[in-house]
Amino acid sequence: GENVEQHPSTLSVQEGDSAVIKCTYSDSASNYFPWYKQELGKGPQLIIDIRSNVGEKKDQRIAVTLNKTAKHFSLHITETQPEDSAVYFCAASKGAGSYQLTFGKGTKLSVIP
Amino acid sequence: NAGVTQTPKFQVLKTGQSMTLQCAQDMNHNSMYWYRQDPGMGLRLIYYSASEGTTDKGEVPNGYNVSRLNKREFSLRLESAAPSQTSVYFCASTPIHTEAFFGQGTRLTVV
Repeated sequence: GENVEQHPSTLSVQEGDSAVIKCTYSDSASNYFPWYKQELGKGPQLIIDIRSNVGEKKDQRIAVTLNKTAKHFSLHITETQPEDSAVYFCAASKGAGSYQLTFGKGTKLSVIP
Repeated sequence: NAGVTQTPKFQVLKTGQSMTLQCAQDMNHNSMYWYRQDPGMGLRLIYYSASEGTTDKGEVPNGYNVSRLNKREFSLRLESAAPSQTSVYFCASTPIHTEAFFGQGTRLTVV
């Protein structure tokens, strides 16, 4: 089955700096790659996603890049703010016909004011 | 719009006891899922229901059963709880397997 590796497991940045979280996946048939943010005591919430026919997607301070050849995708957060502090999860799915998201193990991001 | 609602939010069980975790969504989504989250392990799929009337095993189904009662409701049952089932359980739903909407979670402790 699919295997998703996520790095780093913890990340501390100064407010205003950028943060990058990287994931690799094993199944070349995967074609949907969402990123979730989980705040303490809450369920994960989608922040951005990308499909395999797109190399990059941006939404304000958040961007995701995808390299299908290398089978890795990354989350970029610019101008970090204290409210960005949370656990971030990447995931992968095969799309049509498959209903399973395989998640990475998470990255705990701390933004230091 | 409530989204995905899970009950209870917290539960303590003794080894061998049974219980059912309830999940309901009001977004008319076809697919529903149960995940467990353990420290350092991410979210792992227990069972899913692609549509009303169907259920399938995920990555870690042992010790659990599910029921898709109707389009809105998807329950997870522990027949004989074990300490290894201590975890935070999340229910999620999707319209067509794109964005998954998660509930707030049930924190279960088995002693």
